[in-house]
Amino acid sequence: LAKTTQPISMDSYEGQEVNITCSHNNIATNDYITWYQQFPSQGPRFIIQGYKTKVTNEVASLFIPADRKSSTLSLPRVSLSDTAVYYCLVGDRPPAENMRFGAGTRLTVKP
Amino acid sequence: DVKVTQSSRYLVKRTGEKVFLECVQDMDHENMFWYRQDPGLGLRLIYFSYDVKMKEKGDIPEGYSVSREKKERFSLILESASTNQTSMYLCASSSGTGRYEQYFGPGTRLTVT
Repeated sequence: LAKTTQPISMDSYEGQEVNITCSHNNIATNDYITWYQQFPSQGPRFIIQGYKTKVTNEVASLFIPADRKSSTLSLPRVSLSDTAVYYCLVGDRPPAENMRFGAGTRLTVKP
Repeated sequence: DVKVTQSSRYLVKRTGEKVFLECVQDMDHENMFWYRQDPGLGLRLIYFSYDVKMKEKGDIPEGYSVSREKKERFSLILESASTNQTSMYLCASSSGTGRYEQYFGPGTRLTVT
């Protein structure tokens, strides 16, 4: 049973900010939250990781509320090349139940 | 840059054949993983290894086995391929310390006829 829940799909337009929320009600104290991006015919690629509050890098921001039961990936000013599947992963170390990716969110950016 | 390579991008095998999928990483990572990816199901973990000669079952190990004789190499074996094993297979590796970011290979699209 997947530990995370995400919307199946989202649509946006170029230049808009996109927020994708992931629910993880059973997150453990030691778990980090990691987001990956996957383009067709490629393996997933790491975007960002956080434990609490806010993390920002050159690609995205990650917002994590105090209870850590959800997280929001924020992509500023998306472009067509941001069209991809985005996966939220909670806890990425053994045992196996900590490494379930779930079905991901398919983001489509339109012109 | 971390590089994870997989032996084939595309592979076609017949039912009942023994299939070997090879994965090699060049970053001295302790952890290595095999996933399969099917439409609508996301990535599902088949097996992982956190050390040489060590292996752990993931969510869907049935019909698969693995081998890790050297730290850089992790092999997925389909003992007797079946049509329901037609899928995209992804290998990944991660460090045993730090944030455990996984680095993925390009994938092998296996078709079993």
